[in-house]
Amino acid sequence: NAGVTQTPKFQVLKTGQSMTLQCAQDMNHEYMSWYRQDPGMGLRLIHYSVGAGITDQGEVPNGYNVSRSTTEDFPLRLLSAAPSQTSVYFCASGLYEQYFGPGTRLTVT
Amino acid sequence: KQEVTQIPAALSVPEGENLVLNCSFTDSAIYNLQWFRQDPGKGLTSLLLIQSSQREQTSGRLNASLDKSSGRSTLYIAASQPGDSATYLCAVNTGNQFYFGTGTSLTVIP
Repeated sequence: NAGVTQTPKFQVLKTGQSMTLQCAQDMNHEYMSWYRQDPGMGLRLIHYSVGAGITDQGEVPNGYNVSRSTTEDFPLRLLSAAPSQTSVYFCASGLYEQYFGPGTRLTVT
Repeated sequence: KQEVTQIPAALSVPEGENLVLNCSFTDSAIYNLQWFRQDPGKGLTSLLLIQSSQREQTSGRLNASLDKSSGRSTLYIAASQPGDSATYLCAVNTGNQFYFGTGTSLTVIP
């Protein structure tokens, strides 16, 4: 039982590079979300989706894009990475009860 | 905007002690509240979920209470063990978004 999976586990980017963080879930949840976790700031919601084709912004959406073409997948795109995006990124699924992936640790130099 | 606060930020107790972690939130219009555990470098593991209509929820040595009108929840850990050392986070669900506290870092000393 995979639950929520995220790839990659670690990534180092240079300023201005782009990348996509992958997230997949096998629980048939309509609701999926992306958070970033920074020291002293807790988890902050970046974007969320209530179903395929439907996404919305959370608290800190700037610099990030999302799309939801299937129920299972919810990728997060960084179009032009900045050092301020150095963080740990978590994907979660489930609206009533949230289930988290293991996280992606991203460093932007 | 919902604000969630957890006090204390860090707590150190000897093994065997009972302890209480606190979570407060500013808007009582919540759907439910969830307590998580996070080990260093890991993801979040759900411990307890308490619905807005419930007062308490128990799982093993853990008991969570909710007082929605006063905007407070507590997580009670009985007979603490070194394996309980982790960061504990609470999250309130407003219906389509979850708001997290910054967590309490717990160390249980053998």
